[in-house]
Amino acid sequence: NAGVTQTPKFQVLKTGQSMTLQCAQDMNHEYMSWYRQDPGMGLRLIHYSVGAGITDQGEVPNGYNVSRSTTEDFPLRLLSAAPSQTSVYFCASRPGTGNYEQYFGPGTRLTVT
Amino acid sequence: DAKTTQPPSMDCAEGRAANLPCNHSTISGNEYVYWYRQIHSQGPQYIIHGLKNNETNEMASLIITEDRKSSTLILPHATLRDTAVYYCIVRVAHGGSQGNLIFGKGTKLSVKP
Repeated sequence: NAGVTQTPKFQVLKTGQSMTLQCAQDMNHEYMSWYRQDPGMGLRLIHYSVGAGITDQGEVPNGYNVSRSTTEDFPLRLLSAAPSQTSVYFCASRPGTGNYEQYFGPGTRLTVT
Repeated sequence: DAKTTQPPSMDCAEGRAANLPCNHSTISGNEYVYWYRQIHSQGPQYIIHGLKNNETNEMASLIITEDRKSSTLILPHATLRDTAVYYCIVRVAHGGSQGNLIFGKGTKLSVKP
């Protein structure tokens, strides 16, 4: 199993540009989520999904969109990038049904200039 | 969910046991204690979890006090590669497939030669 994969590893955007961060998992997990981590801070939940076709907002959803058309994929879209979205983004998945053994991807380092 | 309190930082000598405390005095009877760690620049990694009994796996041991108000994660023979931020999280196990892991600031463990 590849586990949770994320692309790209690094990205530089200009203010106002849009882009999609990709996340995929091959463990047939129900639950997927996106976090951001700013320097010296813990992880903050952006959006999550409890299954294909079902998504919901986390703590810091503004400026981001998600969709879950398949069990495997959970892309995160930045609609109009702002410098405040400079961060490291982690995607995670877990089996669901109360199992909190969560698997994280390697992260995407995004800089918005 | 119960709130957790962890010391911001700890040091440990290489080869010695690292004992990381976590206070969760408001924990409910159906909440599990989960531990994760995050090595610099990587995604968090699941370590162990427990409800009331002590647990051990290939990575660590988890000791939960009888009143469940605190716990200790033990790395029996710390190595330099165990230098990381360690997060203690409490979470209801059987809340269906919904529910999110909320990461606080954790304890930064520095293992020194």
